[in-house]
Amino acid sequence: QVQLVQSGAEMKKPGASVKLSCKASGYTFTSYYMHWVRQAPGQGLEWMGKINPSGGSRSYAHKFQGRVTMTRDTSTSTVYMELSSLRSEDTAVYYCARVGSSSSQYDAFDIWGQGTMVTVSS
Amino acid sequence: AIQLTQSPSSLSASVGDRVTITCRASQGISSALAWYQQKPGKAPKLLIYDASSLESGVPSRFSGSGSGTDFTLTISSLQPEDFATYYCQQFNSYSFTFGGGTKVEIK
Repeated sequence: QVQLVQSGAEMKKPGASVKLSCKASGYTFTSYYMHWVRQAPGQGLEWMGKINPSGGSRSYAHKFQGRVTMTRDTSTSTVYMELSSLRSEDTAVYYCARVGSSSSQYDAFDIWGQGTMVTVSS
Repeated sequence: AIQLTQSPSSLSASVGDRVTITCRASQGISSALAWYQQKPGKAPKLLIYDASSLESGVPSRFSGSGSGTDFTLTISSLQPEDFATYYCQQFNSYSFTFGGGTKVEIK
């Protein structure tokens, strides 16, 4: 079945970087854009950016530009999201999510990963 | 960037009630709007896409309407499993903004 499986929880100190993974299965990896969304404890959903698994092009939310890097490995059907210069406000659950259309990058997110908790604390 | 304003931020309702949640965009987004349901500790689940299209497997008591700047999610008869937080999201522009969420609680 179509699924996204994310890497495990992380604990980091302020100023460090974290790199999360999201492994896709059950569909043609290169046909669907992938996004990253985060949710701080008790808060709403925040869009971080997207990557085209086919060509590797990416776009980031203005808030995260300069701190976030999204990459992909087509040989393992995995996308990665690295966030640098971590601060306590980055403590959140991070989700990867697939766009529901193979013909448009602008569509709703139909498949979500289970989420990865990142805790930033000294 | 396009802003989405959801209302109310929370509501209390009883099983069987009809529930309506609204989402207003700061500028026109045509029908590029989705609705998600999220339960505690779980990832969001897609309910409605393109403002009014029901995602496969989602019960027909959920419906969406609207276009341009004003959108509505309606649950025709609230069921016990529907108590959750609901988010709208626009995918019209560069930034895929989410609304602030509406928590539906048991009265």
